[in-house]
Amino acid sequence: GAVVSQHPSRVICKSGTSVKIECRSLDFQATTMFWYRQFPKKSLMLMATSNEGSKATYEQGVEKDKFLINHASLTLSTLTVTSAHPEDSSFYICSAREGSVYEQYFGPGTRLTVT
Amino acid sequence: AQRVTQPEKLLSVFKGAPVELKCNYSYSGSPELFWYVQYSRQRLQLLLRHISRESIKGFTADLNKGETSFHLKKPFAQEEDSAMYYCALKVQGNKFYFGSGTKLNVKP
Repeated sequence: GAVVSQHPSRVICKSGTSVKIECRSLDFQATTMFWYRQFPKKSLMLMATSNEGSKATYEQGVEKDKFLINHASLTLSTLTVTSAHPEDSSFYICSAREGSVYEQYFGPGTRLTVT
Repeated sequence: AQRVTQPEKLLSVFKGAPVELKCNYSYSGSPELFWYVQYSRQRLQLLLRHISRESIKGFTADLNKGETSFHLKKPFAQEEDSAMYYCALKVQGNKFYFGSGTKLNVKP
């Protein structure tokens, strides 16, 4: 089946620094990737949708200058949390979809801790 | 605005008992509903979608537009069904909105 990887799986960074999270589709071409944020004991919150080669579409309330998303190739999307603060600490999950297929495949998630 | 509600955070049943995980949604357009499952230490994966009208691992879910519900059911729960279950709504633009999840615990 389709596999999506994320790197790193865990990252700890200091407040004020930036951190990049990678999402890769390993065996298919991901024309669309989604980034979610999951708060403890809460739902996955859609942050943004990215289509290969175009700018990401952010959900209401998500700061595009804070969460930079790049989808430069059909197998890679990156989420950069800029000038991270402790409140950005969370579990970030990406998913990827091929073409117009409805099914999305999820990555294992990245645990970000900002100290 | 679209919204997905799963009222139960935790549902505990004994093996062999029936299970119903509730999901209600709010969406002005034509809804497309899904159930995703996350087993311990695994990633989210699709369980079933309402359009398929299929039974997966003994689970079924019927979309009730009148009640705006998409409850997940299984007549006889198994221990291996223990997992987190998320109801999800797909809206225009192929975006998914998830409920807060229900943890199903099937006791031996």
